[in-house]
Amino acid sequence: MHLVQSGAEVKKPGESLKISCKGSGYKFTSYWIGWVRQMPGKGLEWIGIIYPGNSETRYSPSFQGQVTISADKFINTAYLHWSSLKASDSAMYYCAGQGAVGGTVDQWGQGTLVTVSS
Amino acid sequence: DIVMTQSPLSLPVTPGEPASISCRSSQSLLHTNGYSYLDWYVQKPGQSPQLLIYLGSRRASGVPDRFSGSGSGTDFTLKISRVLAEDVGVYYCMQALQTPGTFGPGTTVDIK
Repeated sequence: MHLVQSGAEVKKPGESLKISCKGSGYKFTSYWIGWVRQMPGKGLEWIGIIYPGNSETRYSPSFQGQVTISADKFINTAYLHWSSLKASDSAMYYCAGQGAVGGTVDQWGQGTLVTVSS
Repeated sequence: DIVMTQSPLSLPVTPGEPASISCRSSQSLLHTNGYSYLDWYVQKPGQSPQLLIYLGSRRASGVPDRFSGSGSGTDFTLKISRVLAEDVGVYYCMQALQTPGTFGPGTTVDIK
């Protein structure tokens, strides 16, 4: 399992953004893939997760309604989308791929740094 | 939601000495299959997190045997038998019983 994320982004408040995570080396539709936020100097927080096989999506309560997670199973890619960014969305975002054991994350992407500043 | 706590939050260690981190969950992580769904991850400076331990006590592929996990239900421990300089980083426990999981606040391990 290998996950490669899109590059760093610099945006203004109110702008939209979609970052991506491409999976390879495994059957993309058979495993959950999600997103984890790390604000500067802080810990890890699950945003949500999607099962590409049927597009079932689950969000952590703090992030419900704030972002949208999607996946395109035809190009083995998961997405995290904001419709209107805020300065507080500035953070490192990791995609996280679960394997065969419960919610254990077997593989992490390299991270995408999002900076939102006017 | 399951809430995870860790102690200590900061752990200065002497190379060659052992180290221990505790993790507690607000609900039992014991599945009906008999396994506790508790993971340990380490995030070394400037890197993505990486899996150390899953199902409470199973080392992930390539993890040195100086790392061990124990515990069941709601109380878990990560032990490093002899800390090396390369072990510096932030260690997180995470409940993997529910999807998505929940991380603990992290324990920063650094060298004295």
